[in-house]
Amino acid sequence: DVKVTQSSRYLVKRTGEKVFLECVQDMDHENMFWYRQDPGLGLRLIYFSYDVKMKEKGDIPEGYSVSREKKERFSLILESASTNQTSMYLCASSGTGWGNTGELFFGEGSRLTVL
Amino acid sequence: GNSVTQMEGPVTLSEEAFLTINCTYTATGYPSLFWYVQYPGEGLQLLLKATKADDKGSNKGFEATYRKETTSFHLEKGSVQVSDSAVYFCALSERGAQKLVFGQGTRLTINP
Repeated sequence: DVKVTQSSRYLVKRTGEKVFLECVQDMDHENMFWYRQDPGLGLRLIYFSYDVKMKEKGDIPEGYSVSREKKERFSLILESASTNQTSMYLCASSGTGWGNTGELFFGEGSRLTVL
Repeated sequence: GNSVTQMEGPVTLSEEAFLTINCTYTATGYPSLFWYVQYPGEGLQLLLKATKADDKGSNKGFEATYRKETTSFHLEKGSVQVSDSAVYFCALSERGAQKLVFGQGTRLTINP
């Protein structure tokens, strides 16, 4: 059974703390993504990666960075957490190649609260 | 740029009612279209997809037809159940682009 695993389902952090959200996929997918989900705003893309050590900014990269040192792992980093980063964070992956339709496979999400 | 617009929620129906959730899109080229569902406390999972015009995606009693002439991909189900209560997202992917663009989501609640 294919799987995207996010390390923490629930986190509570204080303003100014550094936060790491980890994501691992076991499908040998090239592409990995971090989305943020907020009520009424749907899913917004923060960063994505097409390959190891590659990263591209999404629609809302400010205040975030990412790391992809291994193909299966994609980390989201909040250098100095702020209250407006309280949200649900969703990791996803997808494959490439001829015939690929762009379907994303999602993890269960990490709900971050910044106090 | 590419965009997806869904009907605003929340939507509340009684069990066995007919469901339609509207979705329209703007895209260049020939996108693939998706419906994802998010059950309470879970991540998103693919419900159905269509990759070219006039394709019909179907799963778990849900259907959606890729209508290029009206740039739409409306989700329908003939008889909803309480277990269908969830948030539904319409999305598109440009071929080769690898990224998905999502609508804002529609929360559906089914009452017994």
